[in-house]
Amino acid sequence: NAGVMQNPRHLVRRRGQEARLRCSPMKGHSHVYWYRQLPEEGLKFMVYLQKENIIDESGMPKERFSAEFPKEGPSILRIQQVVRGDSAAYFCASSPPGLAGGRGNEQFFGPGTRLTVL
Amino acid sequence: GNSVTQMEGPVTLSEEAFLTINCTYTATGYPSLFWYVQYPGEGLQLLLKATKADDKGSNKGFEATYRKETTSFHLEKGSVQVSDSAVYFCALSDRRDDKIIFGKGTRLHILP
Repeated sequence: NAGVMQNPRHLVRRRGQEARLRCSPMKGHSHVYWYRQLPEEGLKFMVYLQKENIIDESGMPKERFSAEFPKEGPSILRIQQVVRGDSAAYFCASSPPGLAGGRGNEQFFGPGTRLTVL
Repeated sequence: GNSVTQMEGPVTLSEEAFLTINCTYTATGYPSLFWYVQYPGEGLQLLLKATKADDKGSNKGFEATYRKETTSFHLEKGSVQVSDSAVYFCALSDRRDDKIIFGKGTRLHILP
């Protein structure tokens, strides 16, 4: 059973460009979470999605950032008009459905995408 | 709000030394507690977890006990190896929502 897949592993963008980060959850997992890790910091929650639904986006910046998890295909984290402060490692995690959705279930992490904004 | 505080690194030890990485938390309710490990160039892996007070999580020689009275979840290992060199993150999950709250991480270097 393949783990959580993220691509690309490394992404370089110039200021003002768009960044698209992809995450394929583990087989059988229907819950996806995105986290951001700034240099020398811990991971910070951004957004929690189920198929075709955003459940909790309380950690997402209000502008330029969006996330989706379509019925088919990977989850996408999209950053428009990137700025230098967006440089970070972005991690995706997935969990299986549980008795109360994904709540309280263990989350399995992907290897991350390291975004560098020049 | 919920938060996790762990000792700052880097921590440098010789092989076979005893390891303690301190972690304390602030949370409403009864969170689940975790230690994650991040090896160089890789994502996070769950190392161990505890879901209620006095539970002890253990894996690969690492242990941590959920102490409600001191709101702590310190990570210990009796004899570290060079292969344990990594960044260790203490974390909690409030079961009322879906976020994992992470500490800032502690970088561990083990010298041969």
